[in-house]
Amino acid sequence: DTAVSQTPKYLVTQMGNDKSIKCEQNLGHDTMYWYKQDSKKFLKIMFSYNNKELIINETVPNRFSPKSPDKAHLNLHINSLELGDSAVYFCASSPLQGGGLAYSTGELFFGEGSRLTVL
Amino acid sequence: KQEVTQIPAALSVPEGENLVLNCSFTDSAIYNLQWFRQDPGKGLTSLLLIQSSQREQTSGRLNASLDKSSGRSTLYIAASQPGDSATYLCAVRRRQSTLTFGKGTMLLVSP
Repeated sequence: DTAVSQTPKYLVTQMGNDKSIKCEQNLGHDTMYWYKQDSKKFLKIMFSYNNKELIINETVPNRFSPKSPDKAHLNLHINSLELGDSAVYFCASSPLQGGGLAYSTGELFFGEGSRLTVL
Repeated sequence: KQEVTQIPAALSVPEGENLVLNCSFTDSAIYNLQWFRQDPGKGLTSLLLIQSSQREQTSGRLNASLDKSSGRSTLYIAASQPGDSATYLCAVRRRQSTLTFGKGTMLLVSP
């Protein structure tokens, strides 16, 4: 069984379109993330959610809107796609450790990535 | 701002060699450090997680060490195999923050 799964794995679309990437984890984790890996393979955090609540938004354009319907799902919706949005987007999750802490300090588990190509 | 550097950027070795991958970070106030492996076109697989209070962690042929005061970690791979070929990523976490990644070391182990 896949622990962190994302769909679609590949997405090719035109500039200006709106698209979504879905993520689900079956690990029972409290915290989920979206990371972006650019063409130089550099991974950078975009968002972090803890129990459906947005914790971190790392200066991402507001064309990107994460949505967490429940703590097992964190979807990423992107409006008005631009060429520079082409990248691999990774979803991840981790357990919450250290009771009472708002931020997870546990081990991260990643999905296989969604490769977005904007033409 | 935390910066993570991995050296070398790429490494090619013959099968059977022992090797060391290096990771350095600028802010020593970390909570933990995690080593990942990424195969081409795939996601990241967690290899080892070292909490800030620990000096090392071992899993099979892998051993990761952490020297928080000097801002360094090493990943030691013993008796390398072609199946170890992948990109190895180091990431550090500060308290109440997310992981900051290095750019990785691309390892190629030839038979």
